[in-house]
Amino acid sequence: EAQVTQNPRYLITVTGKKLTVTCSQNMNHEYMSWYRQDPGLGLRQIYYSMNVEVTDKGDVPEGYKVSRKEKRNFPLILESPSPNQTSLYFCASSLQVTDTQYFGPGTRLTVL
Amino acid sequence: DAKTTQPPSMDCAEGRAANLPCNHSTISGNEYVYWYRQIHSQGPQYIIHGLKNNETNEMASLIITEDRKSSTLILPHATLRDTAVYYCIVRSTGGTSYGKLTFGQGTILTVHP
Repeated sequence: EAQVTQNPRYLITVTGKKLTVTCSQNMNHEYMSWYRQDPGLGLRQIYYSMNVEVTDKGDVPEGYKVSRKEKRNFPLILESPSPNQTSLYFCASSLQVTDTQYFGPGTRLTVL
Repeated sequence: DAKTTQPPSMDCAEGRAANLPCNHSTISGNEYVYWYRQIHSQGPQYIIHGLKNNETNEMASLIITEDRKSSTLILPHATLRDTAVYYCIVRSTGGTSYGKLTFGQGTILTVHP
């Protein structure tokens, strides 16, 4: 089944403890992206990747890192999480940047 | 990308057509209209998109006015499972931000028995 998967789905952590949220797609998509969703603010793009080894900042990249070593994986790294990064995170992918984006199920992160 | 305006909420009876409007009066020639929906904090689900012609797929129909300043998403026979937040998005096919989807507040559609 064609899909975008994220792990973990739920995570509660403490300030400063490094964490990684994984994202994987099995559709051979070139474009991948991370969004965060907060009440009243809609979805905002954090980082995106046009292809392997090509990443760029979205609208709210501060406090996040990404990597794209393989086409299928696009992990989101929080080196030192803070409470303002408590949010619902979505990974999305598309065949190419101009194609329809498909979203993963989301990761709900709480930073205490 | 052009800004969109949607009503904050709508109701629809089960089995009836749900018509969700969207205004995008500043849309430019290379911008597509996309519709997504989100059911209770799940990942947004793609519904349909179009440039200027009306489009139909197994989920819905998209009607775009001739001047492209507004559009309507039609769910022909709404079910209770169609209760969700529906987002109308205008997306450019060029420029530095054309990969980004900008989600507004959307329309909360409630389908009732």
